[in-house]
Amino acid sequence: DTAVSQTPKYLVTQMGNDKSIKCEQNLGHDTMYWYKQDSKKFLKIMFSYNNKELIINETVPNRFSPKSPDKAHLNLHINSLELGDSAVYFCASSLLAGAINEQFFGPGTRLTVL
Amino acid sequence: AQKITQTQPGMFVQEKEAVTLDCTYDTSDQSYGLFWYKQPSSGEMIFLIYQGSYDEQNATEGRYSLNFQKARKSANLVISASQLGDSAMYFCAMRERANAGKSTFGDGTTLTVKP
Repeated sequence: DTAVSQTPKYLVTQMGNDKSIKCEQNLGHDTMYWYKQDSKKFLKIMFSYNNKELIINETVPNRFSPKSPDKAHLNLHINSLELGDSAVYFCASSLLAGAINEQFFGPGTRLTVL
Repeated sequence: AQKITQTQPGMFVQEKEAVTLDCTYDTSDQSYGLFWYKQPSSGEMIFLIYQGSYDEQNATEGRYSLNFQKARKSANLVISASQLGDSAMYFCAMRERANAGKSTFGDGTTLTVKP
């Protein structure tokens, strides 16, 4: 049983396209996150949702729009893709937003923009 | 100011020896957690160990232990009896209660275990 799953695992697309990445967790956690890991392996938080409510929104271009239809799902839609969007995107979840327990990560989605 | 600092971009260790990966942090929050994650070449992020700011004992999980020195704001990861499968990138991270539990990650340390 996969705890945090993401689809697709690989995404190759042209500049200017719109794409979505989906994430699901079956851990019963309240909080979900999107992280971006660039080519130098730096990992930065982008968004966090707690029980479908946006609680963290870092300085991310508004071409990126997260959506949480329920607390088990968090999707990331990216409009007008640019070369600099190429990265690995990780979804993660944790039990509670205000608690400081560990996060469980999905396998990552490697996005390549040509 | 960087909240999490990992000063060792790369480390080498001989198989079966112990190795310490350094991590220092900066926070004014009294309630926070420190974490270590492993990222092998396959790319997934694997949670290794957690230390709470109020925990008096150093955390241990199998061959992993966290050397927590609160006054120095350091949370070093010690891996005992290194194995070839320990070769990976290791990230130190911090979550602060006052910051909605947002995680901040260090830049990572690449560990290579030599046979």
